[in-house]
Order: sequence, then structure tokens, then C-alpha cells
Amino acid sequence: GAGVSQSPSNKVTEKGKDVELRCDPISGHTALYWYRQSLGQGLEFLIYFQGNSAPDKSGLPSDRFSAERTGGSVSTLTIQRTQQEDSAVYLCASSRPGQGSNTGELFFGEGSRLTVL
Amino acid sequence: GNSVTQMEGPVTLSEEAFLTINCTYTATGYPSLFWYVQYPGEGLQLLLKATKADDKGSNKGFEATYRKETTSFHLEKGSVQVSDSAVYFCAVNAGNNRKLIWGLGTSLAVNP
Repeated sequence: GAGVSQSPSNKVTEKGKDVELRCDPISGHTALYWYRQSLGQGLEFLIYFQGNSAPDKSGLPSDRFSAERTGGSVSTLTIQRTQQEDSAVYLCASSRPGQGSNTGELFFGEGSRLTVL
Repeated sequence: GNSVTQMEGPVTLSEEAFLTINCTYTATGYPSLFWYVQYPGEGLQLLLKATKADDKGSNKGFEATYRKETTSFHLEKGSVQVSDSAVYFCAVNAGNNRKLIWGLGTSLAVNP
């Protein structure tokens, strides 16, 4: 597609439930990032995929969080046993080969707003 | 550690007013500096960047100069328009290829 697509745009769930958030990056972009933006906070790095390399998971806040990227394209962020503090906007970004955080040229989706009751 | 501090909002201006949104950072080495913008209902997008000291990034009438001596990257525009209403984020990449460090964002509202 023309841009990074994320779904759902809004998700309300009950504490303890699992949720899956999807990101469809721009075609041809080999790098994919997940960020989290909590109320009043800056963007928090979660995980980074680059091609076929092992993902950098160093930003995941707990083992309840996981992500995968199938076929080098679509990515799914899964949060198990959700807690109220997981409520945030989850942003996905992609970048072209040879670019990325080092040059700042990330292309973001509109985010998935998660509310845990 | 690396951090970014940007001016708190919201900022409300009249059309054609001068805009400054302050951003200062702490980082080791020689970071690259960025401003991103998020228009209502849209995703974050890169507005401008500077990769070395004294560089000036510019786009859509916005400018920011990389000031290493004051560790600042203030965003300016001489005459804002209603269409500039958005949230502006300052970000720093301090050598790690994957983790931009972000400010909290500054909301700008421009009234006609």
C-alpha cells in the first residue's frame, strides 16, 4: 500500500485478555519498528526487525510482549494477559533498505490505541 | 543516558505569528537530530533533520539548526498557517541504529 497500515485502530479489552496488533509496512521496506506511546510519555522503542536478521527485542517491557514478522513483511505484536499499564498507542514504522533510525527516515502508521479496562 | 527535552504545550498562535518550539538534548558522541510532525488523523512523519553541528534542516518553511555548544535543535517558522496545527516531536539518534530517543511532543494550534 501507499503507507504503513495498522489494525485495529482502536482496541478495548479487559484486563487479563490477550491482544494482537497488526502492522503492514510499506512494500519494499526491510526494516520494521514497534514503538509505544503512553499518555504524557515520549515514544518508547519496543522491537526492531531488519530483513532476515534476528530481531532486536531489547525494548520489550516484559515477557508478556512478543512480536513476529512473517515473510519479511507483515508484523504482529502480541500482548498476553494485558494489564492496565499496557494502555497506550502502539506505533509501527518501516524504513527503506540502508536507512532507518540512523538517518531518521522512518515512515509511521497511524497507530493502534489500546485500552485495557 | 541520552534524553530529549522539548517545550511543553499546548502552544496557541494566530496565523502569521512566529513560532519557536525549544528542544534540548543530552547525548554522547555526535548525534543526529530530527523533528517529526503528526497532523490530526495521520501518522508521524519526518519534518526535517540535521546530522552534524551547525547544519540547518529545513522543510515547509520550518527550520532548525544543530547547535552543539548549547545542545539544542529549536524548531522555528517565521509565519505559521492554520494547516501547521499538529503535534511536533523532537528526536535524537545517538549512534544506536535502532532507537531514536523522543521528546514528549508539543501540540500547536494555529487560529485564523
